[in-house]
Amino acid sequence: KAGVTQTPRYLIKTRGQQVTLSCSPISGHRSVSWYQQTPGQGLQFLFEYFSETQRNKGNFPGRFSGRQFSNSRSEMNVSTLELGDSALYLCASSLVPAGGLGEQYFGPGTRLTVT
Amino acid sequence: GEDVEQSLFLSVREGDSSVINCTYTDSSSTYLYWYKQEPGAGLQLLTYIFSNMDMKQDQRLTVLLNKKDKHLSLRIADTQTGDSAIYFCAESGTNFGNEKLTFGTGTRLTIIP
Repeated sequence: KAGVTQTPRYLIKTRGQQVTLSCSPISGHRSVSWYQQTPGQGLQFLFEYFSETQRNKGNFPGRFSGRQFSNSRSEMNVSTLELGDSALYLCASSLVPAGGLGEQYFGPGTRLTVT
Repeated sequence: GEDVEQSLFLSVREGDSSVINCTYTDSSSTYLYWYKQEPGAGLQLLTYIFSNMDMKQDQRLTVLLNKKDKHLSLRIADTQTGDSAIYFCAESGTNFGNEKLTFGTGTRLTIIP
């Protein structure tokens, strides 16, 4: 069974640009969560989608947005990039909503560098 | 809000047991997890424990939960060089609309040959 895949794996952008990251969950999983990992802030929850609906959102500015498609694939978008957005962005999928009975399985991440 | 704390570093001799500790503040936490992250990789779910359990054992891994003190530990028996990684504990609740994981800062485990 294929794991969670994220594309691209590495990305370099300049300040002010926007970026779109993609996540394909494990087959059959309907929940996709996004996390930002930085050395200073650790792992922080961005948002979760389940059956194309955003169920929960972390404490990030409106520049961070996401969506989920009918095949459960998810994208996250960051507009007007800032240097502080440089991070590893991790996607996780689970059968049911995250937390509770939802064991989350993580992808390898997308390393975003903003210059 | 929820808060999860871990010590940042742990060094253990190969063959000894490693014990990684974690404390959390959310008394409504329902599940507590341990994840492993190797360099350049995403997070790998190692094990989890339901909040009404005190202990869970899975091969070399033993999880202990003290719900009264909100303390979670992960014991790795017979630590090997392949266990070198960052270990994260995480907690979650089942409150509708709050289905997310809150992670600790991670503990970097270094194995001394």
